[in-house]
Amino acid sequence: QKEVEQNSGPLSVPEGAIASLNCTYSDRGSQSFFWYRQYSGKSPELIMFIYSNGDKEDGRFTAQLNKASQYVSLLIRDSQPSDSATYLCAPAVNEKLTFGTGTRLTIIP
Amino acid sequence: GAVVSQHPSWVICKSGTSVKIECRSLDFQATTMFWYRQFPKQSLMLMATSNEGSKATYEQGVEKDKFLINHASLTLSTLTVTSAHPEDSSFYICSARREPGGTDTQYFGPGTRLTVL
Repeated sequence: QKEVEQNSGPLSVPEGAIASLNCTYSDRGSQSFFWYRQYSGKSPELIMFIYSNGDKEDGRFTAQLNKASQYVSLLIRDSQPSDSATYLCAPAVNEKLTFGTGTRLTIIP
Repeated sequence: GAVVSQHPSWVICKSGTSVKIECRSLDFQATTMFWYRQFPKQSLMLMATSNEGSKATYEQGVEKDKFLINHASLTLSTLTVTSAHPEDSSFYICSARREPGGTDTQYFGPGTRLTVL
């Protein structure tokens, strides 16, 4: 079983719609959860993070966490073509990140 | 902002040679830096944690004698790939943690693409 599982995609979403990205993790000791965006050939850039169960909103992005189900998700509202990228889920244990393989998202104009 | 640079951005070398990659935090001090490796279509894998003034901590399966890490100052960590082989070809990415802070203040460098012929 992989430590961090994400649907590899590609996930295609029309421009303006909501993109929903999911992630499950196996380490119950994970303390915080990070979402990164990675464009092809570039390094990851932090979108947002969440520590507590529930929802956390930041602009067009909402992270959702359910520790009991070991599940974290990222919603992107009003999707833009510039959101097309690979999204990496990364739980952290003792400030060490474990990355999933990412979901490739394509926003269709 | 918090800017992390890497040098070189790409390098091609012959098998058996050594390659040094630099990671610098440009506008903050970083007691802790991390080195990752990413193969095509795979996730980032943590190789080691670099602490200023002390020995690096390597992840399981990473050869410390092959991947030499030196964190000589609060703004510079270097990764040297010794006796590189084609299987070492990868995208090497560093990150630096701005203090005080935790994982949320970990900033990534732009990466170094290594190709070993």
